[in-house]
Amino acid sequence: GAVVSQHPSWVICKSGTSVKIECRSLDFQATTMFWYRQFPKQSLMLMATSNEGSKATYEQGVEKDKFLINHASLTLSTLTVTSAHPEDSSFYICSARDGGGAGTYSNQPQHFGDGTRLSIL
Amino acid sequence: TQLLEQSPQFLSIQEGENLTVYCNSSSVFSSLQWYRQEPGEGPVLLVTVVTGGEVKKLKRLTFQFGDARKDSSLHITAAQPGDTGLYLCAGEENYGQNFVFGPGTRLSALP
Repeated sequence: GAVVSQHPSWVICKSGTSVKIECRSLDFQATTMFWYRQFPKQSLMLMATSNEGSKATYEQGVEKDKFLINHASLTLSTLTVTSAHPEDSSFYICSARDGGGAGTYSNQPQHFGDGTRLSIL
Repeated sequence: TQLLEQSPQFLSIQEGENLTVYCNSSSVFSSLQWYRQEPGEGPVLLVTVVTGGEVKKLKRLTFQFGDARKDSSLHITAAQPGDTGLYLCAGEENYGQNFVFGPGTRLSALP
């Protein structure tokens, strides 16, 4: 159980292109999804927290207009890197948490997708 | 936001040796998770610990949550090359309001 699917796994595109990454929870409902960025040989850096049906909460220093997050359903969140540039090249990872419903605490951990390696030329 | 420290940052050992990785914070967590990540993949959950003093075992891996729920350790017995990877601890703040990741311990278990 607790499978999270992330797609695509690898993207190479030209500078100025917008890229959409999908994160799906396959066998549970994820009221909360998280988006991370990871640089080589470093730990995960949280970019934003996404709650179904509401606006994402972005970490300090992360541009909202650059990294658009949509969490339209309990099983799908998307991250769109708009007008991507070479400095946006990175490994992006999503995670999902079985939230247990509004106003409740489910004591469930995050489950991660396999990541998306984005390379901007 | 709380900070999590992990030690050591890098560890290179021979197959068959034992090792311990530590995860420390100055504040209390609702729960703590350990993950292992291999290059080019997402982190894979190994264990969640919730109760202070809790010990969980997963084959050759033993996880312990400190009594005060501020720290945790991961002990691997008789390491194997397949244990190689980045080990991350993650603390849950305020019952799900936020998760904090440690910087990771990169383990190389050589044959």
